[in-house]
This record gives sequence, structure tokens and C-alpha cells, in this order.
Amino acid sequence: GAVVSQHPSRVICKSGTSVKIECRSLDFQATTMFWYRQFPKKSLMLMATSNEGSKATYEQGVEKDKFLINHASLTLSTLTVTSAHPEDSSFYICSARILAGGTDTQYFGPGTRLTVL
Amino acid sequence: GENVEQHPSTLSVQEGDSAVIKCTYSDSASNYFPWYKQELGKRPQLIIDIRSNVGEKKDQRIAVTLNKTAKHFSLHITETQPEDSAVYFCAATTGTYKYIFGTGTRLKVLA
Repeated sequence: GAVVSQHPSRVICKSGTSVKIECRSLDFQATTMFWYRQFPKKSLMLMATSNEGSKATYEQGVEKDKFLINHASLTLSTLTVTSAHPEDSSFYICSARILAGGTDTQYFGPGTRLTVL
Repeated sequence: GENVEQHPSTLSVQEGDSAVIKCTYSDSASNYFPWYKQELGKRPQLIIDIRSNVGEKKDQRIAVTLNKTAKHFSLHITETQPEDSAVYFCAATTGTYKYIFGTGTRLKVLA
């Protein structure tokens, strides 16, 4: 149980294009998902909290017009990197929050490696 | 806001020895502390967690201890094996479900 998938796993794009990354909870419903960014050999930096049916909550310093988040259903959240530039190249990881048996835990997707040329 | 410090940043141990990773947090309201293991290019995997009403939790070779007074918690891995080599992250949350992660510890288990 508690499987989170992410698609695509790897994407290479030209500067100026937009890239959409999908995060799905496969065997549970997630009212809350999170998007993180991870630089090489660094920790996970929370970008935004994605809430089903409402606007995402962005962390300080994260441009909401640059990183568009849509949580249209209880099993799917998408992150769109608009007008991507080389500095947006990074490892993007989503997680889904699960409430079960009195525990409140996050399970992570496998990540998407974005390379902007 | 919450701040989590993690030490050491790298740790090398001989196979069979124990490894200890320590984290300190700043927000006394934090009440849930998970530990994640991340192998190169892979997703972080939850390996153990502890809540603030518990002082210690053990799962086979892995244990976590929590000292609420000092606001620190530690991961203990006994009888280390080469497959334990990875980056380990601690995290803390106040129950608003937003995790604050530590900076990570790269553990190398030498055969």
C-alpha cells in the first residue's frame, strides 16, 4: 500500500518550453500532496502544498506563476514548470499525505529529473 | 519557523559497526519525527518514525530515540551492512503536516 507514482521520470527540454509533471497516489486518496525540489547532494526543499479542490500554498521564495500546481482529484496533482530555464534543472519529488490508523505520514514519488538546455 | 539541523553530513563505518545520526529541532511544538533513507537517484523511503509521546522506538536493526527536553532525536543503526549505504534525512513537523527536513547524512558502510 501507499504507492506514489510520478511521471515522467526524466525529461529534457529546451529553454522557454513548459513541462508538466504528474504525481499520483495509486492505492489511496490524498487530499494533500507536496512538491519538493532537490539539488544534487542537498536536502529536500518544500516548494508548495497542493490541496485537492483549492489553491496550492507556496513556500516563501517560490514563484507561483512559474510553478503552477493543480490538484484536480484525490489521486492526482500536477506541477507545471512554465517557460523553463537552465536554472530550473533539478530533481522534483512529490509526496502524498496519508492518514491511517492514527498516523499521518508522507510517502514519496520516485522523482522527476528535469534538464533544461 | 522550524529549523532542523543534522549531523554528521558524512559518516563512514566498517561493516558490522553501529552508526548514529543526530538531529536537533527548534520548535518545541514539533510532535512527529520521521527518518527517510534515499539511495542515489531514488525516492526517499520512510524507515522509522517516532512521536513526541514516545522516547524510543526500535525496528530490528534500526532505532530512534527522542529527547524532548533537549529537542533532539537520533537514528541508530546496528550491525551495519553495505546495503545500508545511502543518504539519511530526518524531519520534524508540528502536526500541520508540513515537514522540515534536515540537511542529510551520507552513510558509507565499508565492507
